[in-house]
Amino acid sequence: GNSVTQMEGPVTLSEEAFLTINCTYTATGYPSLFWYVQYPGEGLQLLLKATKADDKGSNKGFEATYRKETTSFHLEKGSVQVSDSAVYFCALNNYAGSARQLTFGSGTQLTVLP
Amino acid sequence: NAGVTQTPKFRVLKTGQSMTLLCAQDMNHEYMYWYRQDPGMGLRLIHYSVGEGTTAKGEVPDGYNVSRLKKQNFLLGLESAAPSQTSVYFCASIPQVPSYGYTFGSGTRLTVV
Repeated sequence: GNSVTQMEGPVTLSEEAFLTINCTYTATGYPSLFWYVQYPGEGLQLLLKATKADDKGSNKGFEATYRKETTSFHLEKGSVQVSDSAVYFCALNNYAGSARQLTFGSGTQLTVLP
Repeated sequence: NAGVTQTPKFRVLKTGQSMTLLCAQDMNHEYMYWYRQDPGMGLRLIHYSVGEGTTAKGEVPDGYNVSRLKKQNFLLGLESAAPSQTSVYFCASIPQVPSYGYTFGSGTRLTVV
């Protein structure tokens, strides 16, 4: 079956530091990969996505590259801001079966200090 | 604003009480989902629906029931609440054509005492 393994948190960084949150996956076929972000008290929002190998998703300064050879989709940002403090979820969907549901990692709490 | 609306936002139940969580979407989406979010476990699928009048079990369906009588609404019911059902519940939806971005509601925080 499908599974997503995320780097355990929490992660605490100073403003302008470099961020990496590791994500690896197990899936049949060729899944689409996603990063979702959850700000305090809110629902999940799509941050970026990649639908095939070697695709790079990017948004708001965040990037992640779909690496099929290492089954990874690590999230990176060159310079984090206090406003990036949130929980980040890696997820996949290979649209197998009728459900088309997302499979999520356990989430990584990021706190950015001024 | 278009999107997914969940009600209520917060609720405290006593063990054994029942309640219904409502999810409403105004985007004409076919697929709707109920997830629960627990610390360190990410989001787990409870039930889902692939269209009006259909429902199916997800990963953790025990203790919950659902109904999709209208396309825009997906109801999650707890017949006899248990402390293990204390969680944050999220509803999500996508359209018929494969869409890579799920739309999530803002969540319902449920505490069962």
